[in-house]
Amino acid sequence: QKEVEQNSGPLSVPEGAIASLNCTYSDRVSQSFFWYRQYSGKSPELIMSIYSNGDKEDGRFTAQLNKASQYVSLLIRDSQPSDSATYLCAVNRGQGAQKLVFGQGTRLTINP
Amino acid sequence: DGGITQSPKYLFRKEGQNVTLSCEQNLNHDAMYWYRQDPGQGLRLIYYSQIVNDFQKGDIAEGYSVSREKKESFPLTVTSAQKNPTAFYLCASSGLRQVYNEQFFGPGTRLTVL
Repeated sequence: QKEVEQNSGPLSVPEGAIASLNCTYSDRVSQSFFWYRQYSGKSPELIMSIYSNGDKEDGRFTAQLNKASQYVSLLIRDSQPSDSATYLCAVNRGQGAQKLVFGQGTRLTINP
Repeated sequence: DGGITQSPKYLFRKEGQNVTLSCEQNLNHDAMYWYRQDPGQGLRLIYYSQIVNDFQKGDIAEGYSVSREKKESFPLTVTSAQKNPTAFYLCASSGLRQVYNEQFFGPGTRLTVL
């Protein structure tokens, strides 16, 4: 079992709809969780971080964390063509220097 | 302008050569990291450093070496011992003074072995 698993997609969503990206992790002691957006040929850009169970909202983005189910998700409301990218889920193995473990990423395409 | 810079953007290496990738940050971050990304894959940790003159191996350190002589700089050498070095190399940095510290990435270096 991989430490961090994501559906590789591609996930295709019409413009204006809600895109839902999911991630599961295997290490129960994981404490912090991150979503990165990566455009083709570019480096990852941090878009959301979440540490507590529940929802965290930032603009059109909402991260959801359920530690009991070892599940973290990212919702993108009012999806725009510029949201088309690969979304990487990353999980922290421990405190201090964070040894992040990444999923393989979900490729999202927003169709105009 | 605070940020992380990596150079060169593209690098071509002949088999048997060592090459060094540069990473510099002016964010005053204590920790720096090197990751490797292969096509269609997530990132894998090569080395990381929390303090000057100290660094630890990540998951795939074989064939790589690093140094941390200055807080701002964390160069990565890809040695001839690395069997499959063609990849996208990403440097990141983070603070250490909070409980949870976010990592930020440089623009990356794309290495191709000819």
